[in-house]
Amino acid sequence: EIVMTQSPATLAVSPGERATLSCRASQNVSTNLAWYQQKPGQAPRLIIYGASTRATGIPARFSGSGSGTEFTLTISSLQSEDFAVYYCQQYNNWRTFGQGTRVEIK
Amino acid sequence: QVQLVQSGAEVKKPGASVKVSCKASGYTFTSFDIIWVRQATGQGLEWMGWMNPNSDTTGYAQKFQGRVTMSRNTSISTAYMELYNLRSEDTAVYFCARGRFAGAADPWGQGTLVAVSS
Repeated sequence: EIVMTQSPATLAVSPGERATLSCRASQNVSTNLAWYQQKPGQAPRLIIYGASTRATGIPARFSGSGSGTEFTLTISSLQSEDFAVYYCQQYNNWRTFGQGTRVEIK
Repeated sequence: QVQLVQSGAEVKKPGASVKVSCKASGYTFTSFDIIWVRQATGQGLEWMGWMNPNSDTTGYAQKFQGRVTMSRNTSISTAYMELYNLRSEDTAVYFCARGRFAGAADPWGQGTLVAVSS
């Protein structure tokens, strides 16, 4: 099983600042990687697929990068609605999720 | 718009089974996989498996093989996930989602809480 490791577990950021989230795969997953946002009491929402393609309706302040085993999700200027938990998921070999990064208000 | 609506919360005793439904609307049901994911309270996401509504083929995570069945009724655009021999560790919110882009999930259903307690 491919293990996905996200860091940090919690990220405290001030509104308007940049947030950088990392995701590492235990094996090469090419660009078969997605990012999801989940707010309390809600279902996850797809924000990035193919490592770098924004899903429909996702603002341009969200960007994804990386390939192979190292991936990054960047939120260029955090808005109040962006404070949430973010999960990466590989779909190169079956499917596995990272444990999540909580982005909270500093 | 594309929507997945799941059945309501369930309370089950250990050893029982639960069947969660997921009704799709706003797209052709047989054109996309249905994925099932669960989330224990305060925990992360756990992928359970997928089903192709057109071919009725399935793929289950090794952890759930032998204890889960994913099925569908194409006449009512509804997918089902049945989990057997429930234990307390199965207490979680169960989500269905549409498979997109070769393996991502979009959109998701609202989730169904399954509580297992004696």
